[in-house]
Amino acid sequence: KAGVTQTPRYLIKTRGQQVTLSCSPISGHRSVSWYQQTPGQGLQFLFEYFSETQRNKGNFPGRFSGRQFSNSRSEMNVSTLELGDSALYLCASSPRRDSDTQYFGPGTRLTVL
Amino acid sequence: QKEVEQDPGPLSVPEGAIVSLNCTYSNSAFQYFMWYRQYSRKGPELLMYTYSSGNKEDGRFTAQVDKSSKYISLFIRDSQPSDSATYLCAMPTQGGYNKLIFGAGTRLAVHP
Repeated sequence: KAGVTQTPRYLIKTRGQQVTLSCSPISGHRSVSWYQQTPGQGLQFLFEYFSETQRNKGNFPGRFSGRQFSNSRSEMNVSTLELGDSALYLCASSPRRDSDTQYFGPGTRLTVL
Repeated sequence: QKEVEQDPGPLSVPEGAIVSLNCTYSNSAFQYFMWYRQYSRKGPELLMYTYSSGNKEDGRFTAQVDKSSKYISLFIRDSQPSDSATYLCAMPTQGGYNKLIFGAGTRLAVHP
């Protein structure tokens, strides 16, 4: 079974731009969560989607948004990029909301110049 | 104070050593504990999870939970160079299993 895939793997943007990252969960998985990983703050939860609805949200500004499609694929968007948004963005999928295992993708490395 | 505290290391040990990795947490509502391993330039992979106090063993890995002290540990026996990675403890928050709070991660280097 293919794992979680994320595209693109690397991205360079400039301040003020916006960016969209994509995540394809493991086949059959319906829950997708997004995390931001930085050296200073570590891994932080962004949001969770299940059945095309946002179920949980972390403590991030409204510039961070996401959505999930009917095939469970998910995208996250960051508008008006800031230097501090440079991070590894990780997507994780699980079969259900009450599953005790999440499987992470390789991440998208975003650099904001 | 962070809800989950983990010493970031780095920790350097010789091959064959027993490694002890630890986290403390402050929220007594946490009931489920996980350890993830993350290699450089990869996403985290789940190593072990446990619900209860006590020990859980899986091969060379043992997860230990002490809820009374709010302290969790991961022991690696007969450590190998391939164990060199960052180890993260994680717990689901009250938002559910898919809303995890992570420790800072401990970077481990096992040298031959």
